Amino acid sequence: EAQVTQNPRYLITVTGKKLTVTCSQNMNHEYMSWYRQDPGLGLRQIYYSMNVEVTDKGDVPEGYKVSRKEKRNFPLILESPSPNQTSLYFCASSLVRQSYEQYFGPGTRLTVT
Amino acid sequence: AQTVTQSQPEMSVQEAETVTLSCTYDTSESDYYLFWYKQPPSRQMILVIRQEAYKQQNATENRFSVNFQKAAKSFSLKISDSQLGDAAMYFCAYRSTGHSGNTPLVFGKGTRLSVIA
Repeated sequence: EAQVTQNPRYLITVTGKKLTVTCSQNMNHEYMSWYRQDPGLGLRQIYYSMNVEVTDKGDVPEGYKVSRKEKRNFPLILESPSPNQTSLYFCASSLVRQSYEQYFGPGTRLTVT
Repeated sequence: AQTVTQSQPEMSVQEAETVTLSCTYDTSESDYYLFWYKQPPSRQMILVIRQEAYKQQNATENRFSVNFQKAAKSFSLKISDSQLGDAAMYFCAYRSTGHSGNTPLVFGKGTRLSVIA
């Protein structure tokens, strides 16, 4: 089954404790992206990757890091989480060409206290 | 930069009736994609319908259809014969067709749809 998986689905952590949210897709997609969803703001792009070892900032990259060492994986790293990073996070992937559809993971609900 | 506006934060509809959700967008591009996503309480993002800007014909998917007005930059979603399972947050989204570079989805802020039995 074609899918994007994220782990963990829920996470409660404390300020400053490094964490990683994993994202993996099995569709051989080149393009992967992270979004955060906040009430009243919709979804906003954090980082994206066009292919292995090719990553760049989206609209709200502050406080986040990513890496793309393998085509299928695109982890989101919070080196020192802060309460303003409490949010719902989505990973998405698509082909680069003819890439009108992005496939979304199930979301990760992160709470930073 | 492109922007997407959903002017209705909340809507409600009686079961079996029809409802239309509004979306407008701003872009200088001539070719792009438009989408409606549904987000039920499970929080999963579910693609409802998509429209390629170069196609004049409005997209339809069963009970869901769009009214795409390219000149007016309007992309409304019509849900016919509304069902209880249609209750969700609906997001309108835009994506550039750029063949290189970043092509993120640009989302509106969403419309929460309630369905009344």
